[in-house]
Amino acid sequence: QSVLTQPPSVSGAPGQRVTISCTGSRSNIGAGYDVQWYQQLPGTAPKVLIYGNNNRPSGVPDRFSGSKSGTSASLAITGLQAEDEAEYYCQSYDSSLSAVFGTGTKVTVL
Amino acid sequence: EVQLVGSGGGLVQPGGSLRLSCAGSGFTFSSYWMHWVRQAPGEGLVWVSRISSDGSITNYADSVKGRFTISRDNAKNTLYLQMNSLRAEDTAVYYCARCYSSLSDFDYWGQGTLVTVSS
Repeated sequence: QSVLTQPPSVSGAPGQRVTISCTGSRSNIGAGYDVQWYQQLPGTAPKVLIYGNNNRPSGVPDRFSGSKSGTSASLAITGLQAEDEAEYYCQSYDSSLSAVFGTGTKVTVL
Repeated sequence: EVQLVGSGGGLVQPGGSLRLSCAGSGFTFSSYWMHWVRQAPGEGLVWVSRISSDGSITNYADSVKGRFTISRDNAKNTLYLQMNSLRAEDTAVYYCARCYSSLSDFDYWGQGTLVTVSS
C-alpha cells in the first residue's frame, strides 16, 4: 500500500548526523507534489516535522531539515539526541490526489 | 488550543459495520480539509480517505472504496467515517487529521481510535 520507499532503520551516536531517504515516482514526488515528514513516538499520533519539502513548523528544532530532488526526498537530523529515537514517515500526494505515505524508518540512537 | 478527539472504535465481527467520529475544537472546523489515516498493529501509516472543507469532494483509498464513506457535519464540528463490510485487514488504529488545503500537510492529528475486526 505504501508507494514511497524508506529504509527500515537508521542509527547513529548522540551528536552525529543521520539522513533518511524517501523514494517515490513520477506520479507522486516527481510530479511536483510537496513532501512532508512526520515523527511518531511509540503509542502516540504522528507529528509534522517538515512541510512543503523544507519548512519547519514553529517549535520544531532546526536540527531537522528536509530536501527534495526529482522523485526523492530526504530528512536530515543533525546533532542526534536520545529524544529523536522514533519512527519517521515521509508523505506526499499522487496524481489521483490521494495522500501517500512512506514505509517508515526507525531511528535508533546508539 | 486545537483538538481532534476521535471516538467510536471497538470490536466488530467480519462483515459488520462501525461509525467513527472525530470532534474538532479550537479552530474553524469548516475551513479545513479532513482526512482519515489508519495504522495496523506494528505497521506503518496508510491513508484512507479525505473530504473537502464543505464536504463536496471526497476521495478514498482503493482498499476501502465502496465500503467506507467519509462525511462531515460542520454545524457540529464533527467528521465521520462509516465503515461497512469490515474485514480482518481493516483492524487498525484510525486517526483523523486536518489539512488547511487540498494538498497540504496534516498539521494536527487526533489521538486515534482502535478498530478490531474479529470473530
